[in-house]
Formats: sequence, structure tokens, C-alpha cells
Amino acid sequence: NAGVTQTPKFQVLKTGQSMTLQCAQDMNHEYMSWYRQDPGMGLRLIHYSVGAGITDQGEVPNGYNVSRSTTEDFPLRLLSAAPSQTSVYFCASSFGTEQFFGPGTRLTVL
Amino acid sequence: DAKTTQPTSMDCAEGRAANLPCNHSTISGNEYVYWYRQIHSQGPQYIIHGLKNNETNEMASLIITEDRKSSTLILPHATLRDTAVYYCIVLNYGGSQGNLIFGKGTKLSVKP
Repeated sequence: NAGVTQTPKFQVLKTGQSMTLQCAQDMNHEYMSWYRQDPGMGLRLIHYSVGAGITDQGEVPNGYNVSRSTTEDFPLRLLSAAPSQTSVYFCASSFGTEQFFGPGTRLTVL
Repeated sequence: DAKTTQPTSMDCAEGRAANLPCNHSTISGNEYVYWYRQIHSQGPQYIIHGLKNNETNEMASLIITEDRKSSTLILPHATLRDTAVYYCIVLNYGGSQGNLIFGKGTKLSVKP
């Protein structure tokens, strides 16, 4: 199993641009989530999904959209990038106790 | 979910046991204690979790006090690769698995 994969690894955007961060898992996990981590801070939950077709907001959802059309994929969309969204983004999936995290996407918004 | 308090940083000599404390004085009866760690620039990694009994796996041991207000994660023989930020998280097992609330954790430095 590849586990949780994220693309791209690095991205630089200009203010106002939009983009989609990709996340996929091959463990057939129902639960997936997106976190962001700012320098020196812990992770903060952006959005999560308990299964295909179901999503909900986390602690910091503003400026982000998600959808879950399949069990495997959970993309995160930045609608109009802002410098405050410069961060490292982690996707995770779980079934039961343990969450599995992807390697992260480092996003810089200029 | 209950809040946790951890020391900002700790040092440990290679080969010695690393004991990482966590206070969770407001924990409720149905909340579990989880530990994750994050090695530099990587995604967090699950270590162990428990409710009230001590737990051990291939990575670590978790000791929870009888009143459940605090716990200690023990890495029995720390190596340089255990240098990481360790997060203690309290979570209602019946709640959403996605809602892990990460504090700033403890930065463990294992030194030769």
C-alpha cells in the first residue's frame, strides 16, 4: 500500500490564484481530513469527511473548499489564495484508532 | 475535548529512557489519551493510546495515573531517530477521529 499520498510537494502561488491540493489513500478508510501547520505550531483541522459525499468544517475552514466523491480522494481547494494561507498542509485518513498522515504540501502564497 | 499541558522541550541521552509527561486534569471518563510524534517536516505518526490501563507496544509504553489526570509516554531506549515533537492528545473515542487537537507538544532532543 502507498498509504496517504499528497501532491504537489511544493507550490508557490500569487495572491488571488486558486489551486487544488490532492490527497489520496489506498487503505479504504472512510475518514479523511485536512490540517494546516504554521511555523512552530501544532496542526489545525481545516475540513474532514466521514465518507464519500459527506464533509464538514473543522477549526479553520475559511478560504478552503473540499469535496469527497470517492472513498480514495479528498482534494482541498483554495479559492483565492492569500499570504495568510502560507503553510504546510497535511492530509490524513483513518479507520478506527490510528490516523495516517501524508507527507505534506508546502504552500507559499506571495 | 480536554486540554493537555506538556513541557516545551526535553533532552535525553541516546540509549536512555525518555519519559515525556502530559497533564490532562479535565479529562472525562470516556476520553482516551493519544500520543503522536512529528519528526522534522514529516506528517505526524501515531505512537500509542490508552484509556486507564497502562499500554505497551513496539514503540513505547503509556503510563496513565489512577486518577487519569496525567500520563507519561516512555521510550525505553531512545535513539537519535526519536528526536521529534511529541503530542499528547485527549480524544473522545466515540467522537470524530478527524478532530485531533494538536497543541505545541514537547520537542524531544536525543543527544549522543
